[in-house]
Amino acid sequence: KQEVTQIPAALSVPEGENLVLNCSFTDSAIYNLQWFRQDPGKGLTSLLLIQSSQREQTSGRLNASLDKSSGRSTLYIAASQPGDSATYLCAVPGGATNKLIFGTGTLLAVQP
Amino acid sequence: GAGVSQSPSNKVTEKGKDVELRCDPISGHTALYWYRQSLGQGLEFLIYFQGNSAPDKSGLPSDRFSAERTGGSVSTLTIQRTQQEDSAVYLCASSLAPTRGYTFGSGTRLTVV
Repeated sequence: KQEVTQIPAALSVPEGENLVLNCSFTDSAIYNLQWFRQDPGKGLTSLLLIQSSQREQTSGRLNASLDKSSGRSTLYIAASQPGDSATYLCAVPGGATNKLIFGTGTLLAVQP
Repeated sequence: GAGVSQSPSNKVTEKGKDVELRCDPISGHTALYWYRQSLGQGLEFLIYFQGNSAPDKSGLPSDRFSAERTGGSVSTLTIQRTQQEDSAVYLCASSLAPTRGYTFGSGTRLTVV
């Protein structure tokens, strides 16, 4: 059974810092891994989708890496801004129906 | 449509009433998923549709919950005789294929008073 975990659970950084969020999964037989952002009480916004054959995906200040064999992904945020404050979730499709299996999330606070 | 649309965005209902939540997926997306997220909790899978059929209903918490999808498009999640513990944000996602990723709607915040 696929399990996805994220560390740290919470992170507070001053504005301008670079930071790394970690995601690990137990079953390496994945199609892809998707990173989402969630603002309080809101839906999920997709940030990056990284296919199993890829090592990295970049979008603006965000860079996601994937090491399928070790069951790890990282989300790197460069030059953090207060507007980056949110919960970040990683997820992989799993099971017979490919429903998304979510990590526990990292609550990020960027202090002005 | 350009994105996944959910309505209403907010719903306040009295305990014991029935509610219907609507999800309009991206056009052409055959897979549709419902999740719910209680306050401070993670996402809980409810039901999966492929086309109009629901091969996985394993996450529906009780027989008060039901869902349907018509025309391979719009889905409705119905909660009968609502209880306070049903209060949560209900999220819908659609996908063309697992390899193409998933798109979520903005959710419906349900409050049962």
